Amino acid sequence: DTGVSQNPRHKITKRGQNVTFRCDPISEHNRLYWYRQTLGQGPEFLTYFQNEAQLEKSRLLSDRFSAERPKGSFSTLEIQRTEQGDSAMYLCASSLSGGFAEKLFFGSGTQLSVL
Amino acid sequence: AQSVTQLGSHVSVSEGALVLLRCNYSSSVPPYLFWYVQYPNQGLQLLLKYTTGATLVKGINGFEAEFKKSETSFHLTKPSAHMSDAAEYFCAVSDRGGGGADGLTFGKGTHLIIQP
Repeated sequence: DTGVSQNPRHKITKRGQNVTFRCDPISEHNRLYWYRQTLGQGPEFLTYFQNEAQLEKSRLLSDRFSAERPKGSFSTLEIQRTEQGDSAMYLCASSLSGGFAEKLFFGSGTQLSVL
Repeated sequence: AQSVTQLGSHVSVSEGALVLLRCNYSSSVPPYLFWYVQYPNQGLQLLLKYTTGATLVKGINGFEAEFKKSETSFHLTKPSAHMSDAAEYFCAVSDRGGGGADGLTFGKGTHLIIQP
């Protein structure tokens, strides 16, 4: 168990640029989640994959946000035309489906700063 | 809609003293309740969870929490604080287990400070 890995750890970009973050989940985990955490707030659920299928995306913040998990392994989260309000920590989590209240394993996050 | 309120954005206790972090939730159905801890530069880690059954739940590192339906609360306690407990603590609620398309609804977090 090498844990959930997120890259990069920090990203600084200018307003209007596109950014992409990568998440590598724990290898045997079939579920993958993206959350956003702003300063002074708890994580906010964005989207969810089971294997390669994106089964929940209605809570993505706008149509500028998109996520993929092409082969059911790693995932990417893209933000197009970034705005200063997008500055936040983006968290990825993974889990193995089955049972009640499954345990989510979180990565350390990607801190985005939009100038 | 479900929600979580954590009372106190910062809590300071002396080493060896009781730790009490408060969490109240709102849910239209019997909830699943969680406490996660976030150490600096690390990902969130599950401390404990309540699903059904026994209302007193024991977790890792000596923490425990009690589900009180009448008070809609799930407060986190530890009898004796240790310096290594200094971290950010998040309470979370889910109507359907928190996995899958449900997701977790988190509180704003409580920063626990341990004074020597």
